[in-house]
Amino acid sequence: QVQLKEPGPGLVQPSQTLSLTCTVSGFSLTSYSVHWVRQHSGKNLEWMGRMWSDGDTSYNSAFTSRLSISRDTSKSQVFLKMNSLQTEDTGTYYCARNPKFHNNFDYWGQGVMVTVSS
Amino acid sequence: DIQVTQSPASLSASLGETVTIECRASEDIYSNLAWYQQKPGNSPQVLIYDANNLADGVPSRFSGSGSGTQYSLKINSLQSEDVASYFCQQYNNYPLTFGSGTKLEIK
Repeated sequence: QVQLKEPGPGLVQPSQTLSLTCTVSGFSLTSYSVHWVRQHSGKNLEWMGRMWSDGDTSYNSAFTSRLSISRDTSKSQVFLKMNSLQTEDTGTYYCARNPKFHNNFDYWGQGVMVTVSS
Repeated sequence: DIQVTQSPASLSASLGETVTIECRASEDIYSNLAWYQQKPGNSPQVLIYDANNLADGVPSRFSGSGSGTQYSLKINSLQSEDVASYFCQQYNNYPLTFGSGTKLEIK
């Protein structure tokens, strides 16, 4: 069955780099895209970026050059790295799968809560 | 970026009632809109895609409609398990954007 799991660091210090891993099962990263989405305080959802099935990436310009998404298909993993973290980056980070023919999200990971604090 | 304005922000209704949540996009999104349900402590789950297509396993009391810039989610015969937050999402243009959410409670 389709699963996405994104364990994470929990606490990150301001100005440091956030590194998250999304491990997927039940589908291939070479057949489906995976997105990163974050949520502030259980409210606003914000799309961050996408790892396409062909290895290309798309990013939300709101994150300018802070964000990088990569993958290791042999391990079925998609990575998120975001530098220069600030307190406003606190939130829950999700990876989510893009279905074949639409740009929405059909399966989501359980999410990882990240707190940016010294 | 396409702005998606969702209303109302919160909603309280009785069991068995019908409720409607609306989203308005800042430009035509050609029915490229999905609706998600998020229960407390859980990740969002897709209900509707392409504005009016029910996702697999979603009860038929949920329905979506709309076109152009105006879309709505209707929940018939409200059940206790429908207590959740609901979000719309446009996928006509990048960046993908979401409505600000509607918190649904039972009276």
